[in-house]
Amino acid sequence: DQQVKQNSPSLSVQEGRISILNCDYTNSMFDYFLWYKKYPAEGPTFLISISSIKDKNEDGRFTVFLNKSAKHLSLHIVPSQPGDSAVYFCAASGAAGNKLTFGGGTRVLVKP
Amino acid sequence: DTAVSQTPKYLVTQMGNDKSIKCEQNLGHDTMYWYKQDSKKFLKIMFSYNNKELIINETVPNRFSPKSPDKAHLNLHINSLELGDSAVYFCASSPPSRADTQYFGPGTRLTVL
Repeated sequence: DQQVKQNSPSLSVQEGRISILNCDYTNSMFDYFLWYKKYPAEGPTFLISISSIKDKNEDGRFTVFLNKSAKHLSLHIVPSQPGDSAVYFCAASGAAGNKLTFGGGTRVLVKP
Repeated sequence: DTAVSQTPKYLVTQMGNDKSIKCEQNLGHDTMYWYKQDSKKFLKIMFSYNNKELIINETVPNRFSPKSPDKAHLNLHINSLELGDSAVYFCASSPPSRADTQYFGPGTRLTVL
C-alpha cells in the first residue's frame, strides 16, 4: 500500500514559468514532509521541508504548501530554471521519527 | 570531500554470489540508512542504524545483513544474490537533531545476471 503518492510521473514547463508538483498521503500519523531532488546517477538531495503545524514554507524559489485536511502537499518552483530539470520525490515521516516514506517521484523537464 | 560515499558505484555479478556494498559518512551523523530503489523507481527503506545499533529493519530477506563497525560506516552484505536484487541501493545519514532530514550517497547500481 502506497502511503505517499505522486500521481504525475512527469511535468514539462517553460523556463521562467511556475512548476507545481503534487503529493498525496494517506497516513494521518505523518507529521513532517520533505521534498528531495534527484539528478541522474546521483543520490537524492534534500530540498525543502514542512512540519504539520505549518501550512507553508518558503525557501528562495521553492515553496511547499501543506493541506492537512486534504492530506495533500505541493511544491511550487518559481521561476523554473533549466537546472531544475530532475526527478522530485515527496517524502513523509511520522511519530517514529526517522523512517521516511517516499512517493514514486515526478520527473520535471524545464525547457529553455 | 564527499559527505556520504558508497563503493562500488556499479556492481555486476552472477546469481548465487555474495557481495558487499560499503558506505561511509563524514558528517558526524549518528544515524545511517540503507534504501533500495527498484525498477519502478520507488525508494524504500531497508535498514536504519543509530550509533551502531539496529533501529529499523523493514521486511527484508535474511540474505541482506547490514553491519556497522562504527557510527561513520554502514555496510550492506548480500548473500546468495537473486535476479530480483537488481536495483540501485542508496546509503543515507541524518543528524541527531533532525532525523527526518537525510543526506544520501550517490547510489550503487547492482545488476544480478
